[in-house]
Amino acid sequence: DTAVSQTPKYLVTQMGNDKSIKCEQNLGHDTMYWYKQDSKKFLKIMFSYNNKELIINETVPNRFSPKSPDKAHLNLHINSLELGDSAVYFCASTSFEGTSYNEQFFGPGTRLTVL
Amino acid sequence: KNEVEQSPQNLTAQEGEFITINCSYSVGISALHWLQQHPGGGIVSLFMLSSGKKKHGRLIATINIQEKHSSLHITASHPRDSAVYICAAHINTGNQFYFGTGTSLTVIP
Repeated sequence: DTAVSQTPKYLVTQMGNDKSIKCEQNLGHDTMYWYKQDSKKFLKIMFSYNNKELIINETVPNRFSPKSPDKAHLNLHINSLELGDSAVYFCASTSFEGTSYNEQFFGPGTRLTVL
Repeated sequence: KNEVEQSPQNLTAQEGEFITINCSYSVGISALHWLQQHPGGGIVSLFMLSSGKKKHGRLIATINIQEKHSSLHITASHPRDSAVYICAAHINTGNQFYFGTGTSLTVIP
């Protein structure tokens, strides 16, 4: 049973297209994240989301938007794709207990290539 | 300057060696995470700690809050430990993460 799953695993598309990456977790977690890992392997948080609050990293272009149909899903929509969007995108989830967050579980990643 | 600095960037060790990876951070944190990313790309959370020391098998993580420094130790290293190890500072307020650039570890048989 996969805890955090992402689809697709690979995505190759042309500049200017709109695409989505899906993420689902079956852990009952209340908080989900999207991360971007660039070609230098540097991880950066893009969004964190729970059922109450969306927190956006201010450096993320507004072409990127997270959409959560329910607590178990956080999809990433990207409009007007650019070459610089090529990266590996990771979804992760965790739970918040008491006053702090617990450890995160990561999805396998989606490698996006924009041509 | 990055809020989280790791050293070394690259590390090669002989099987059986004791390994230390260091992480320094400049922000006030709620917790410090250590992550492992294998060559296949998957990321696994190893530790989350806000004080003291934690141990899982051959892995030990320590943190000194006053010095804003954490270390990840691997005892009796093995080629399967070869991976990139990433530390991340987590701040509860705003649920923000700041990542180090990673340490690429290669353990040679």
